[in-house]
Amino acid sequence: QVQLVESGGGVVQPGRSLRLSCAASGFTFSSYGMHWVRQAPGKGLEWVAVISYDGSNKYYADSVKGRFTISRDNSKNTLYLQMNSLRAEDTAVYYCAKEEAVLLWFGELDPWGQGTLVTVSS
Amino acid sequence: SSELTQDPAVSVALGQTVRITCQGDSLRSYYASWYQQKPGQAPVLVIYGKNNRPSGIPDRFSGSSSGNTASLTITGAQAEDEADYYCNSRDSSGTVVFGGGTKLTVL
Repeated sequence: QVQLVESGGGVVQPGRSLRLSCAASGFTFSSYGMHWVRQAPGKGLEWVAVISYDGSNKYYADSVKGRFTISRDNSKNTLYLQMNSLRAEDTAVYYCAKEEAVLLWFGELDPWGQGTLVTVSS
Repeated sequence: SSELTQDPAVSVALGQTVRITCQGDSLRSYYASWYQQKPGQAPVLVIYGKNNRPSGIPDRFSGSSSGNTASLTITGAQAEDEADYYCNSRDSSGTVVFGGGTKLTVL
């Protein structure tokens, strides 16, 4: 079955960096766009970034543009999110999610990983 | 960037029908997807595309769209449907946007 497992979360000081990983299994990873979505404590879902199936296209939310970088390694079936210049408002559970459509993306996210918590605090 | 607007809270009597709506300009060009999230759990896709249900989603969940408004309808709401529901869609710039979420209470 399709499985997504995030890792790399933790407590980090403001201004520092962190890299999240998402290990994928159970599907042809190289055929699907992948997303990162976050959820601050007690708040709603916020889309963060998408990367196309081959890594050639990447889009970001305005709130993270210039600070976060999404990437993927199709040989390792792994998605990444490099987060730099972290701020307190980046504190959230970060989910990776697979796009439902093959080769394209419409924001149809299925399934989602279990999430990894990032806390930005001094 | 585009925005999607949802009512913060909706309630429904057990066994009755409830509609949750989502409004935004991006919905004129792209279908909304709908997600169910229960406390402490990751979101689950319940409706996508014109009106598609992933495997395992009960057929009491359905979706529709008109103009800039998308709707999720639960026909015969069950106690286990009590959850937060989010809509999202892609927009013309290639980014994706989520609505603020609707808390559904089943009375």
